[in-house]
Amino acid sequence: SQKIEQNSEALNIQEGKTATLTCNYTNYSPAYLQWYRQDPGRGPVFLLLIRENEKEKRKERLKVTFDTTLKQSLFHITASQPADSATYLCALSFNDYKLSFGAGTTVTVRA
Amino acid sequence: NAGVTQTPKFRVLKTGQSMTLLCAQDMNHEYMYWYRQDPGMGLRLIHYSVGEGTTAKGEVPDGYNVSRLKKQNFLLGLESAAPSQTSVYFCASSSTAVATNEKLFFGSGTQLSVL
Repeated sequence: SQKIEQNSEALNIQEGKTATLTCNYTNYSPAYLQWYRQDPGRGPVFLLLIRENEKEKRKERLKVTFDTTLKQSLFHITASQPADSATYLCALSFNDYKLSFGAGTTVTVRA
Repeated sequence: NAGVTQTPKFRVLKTGQSMTLLCAQDMNHEYMYWYRQDPGMGLRLIHYSVGEGTTAKGEVPDGYNVSRLKKQNFLLGLESAAPSQTSVYFCASSSTAVATNEKLFFGSGTQLSVL
């Protein structure tokens, strides 16, 4: 069956540093991958989508890479700020209607 | 800009009780979804709907029923609540199928505890 794995450990980093999150998947070749942000007590909010033919995507201080050979996506937050503290989820579509999510990685940025 | 609205935000049930969670979206989206989120397990799809009057089972449908009588509303029912259904429930919507690179819009969730 398809499986999505994210860094199981929480990530604690100093303000200004780069946070790098990993999303690995198995047994499938998705056409695209999405990243969401979730704050405590709130629903996930869409951040970025990257397609299988795109190696890298950027949005402001966020950068996502997609390596279909390694079956891995990396999510980078550069020049991190305390406001970036949240849980980040990766998501893949394994069929037409179902978007499957990883368990998420919690990032805490220290001032 | 309401987006996706879920009610109630919190609920405590006793085992065996029933309840309905309401999801409403004002974006005229065709697709709607119910997920549950448990610690360390990520979001799991319970049921979904691809349009008014249609519903389909997701990954973990047992113990739940859904209805989509109006395009803007998607109801999730628990007929006989069990402690295993203690979770945070999220409703989401999208304008087209996720296979077309469509993102999901989520509500703020319902925290349900079954004692």
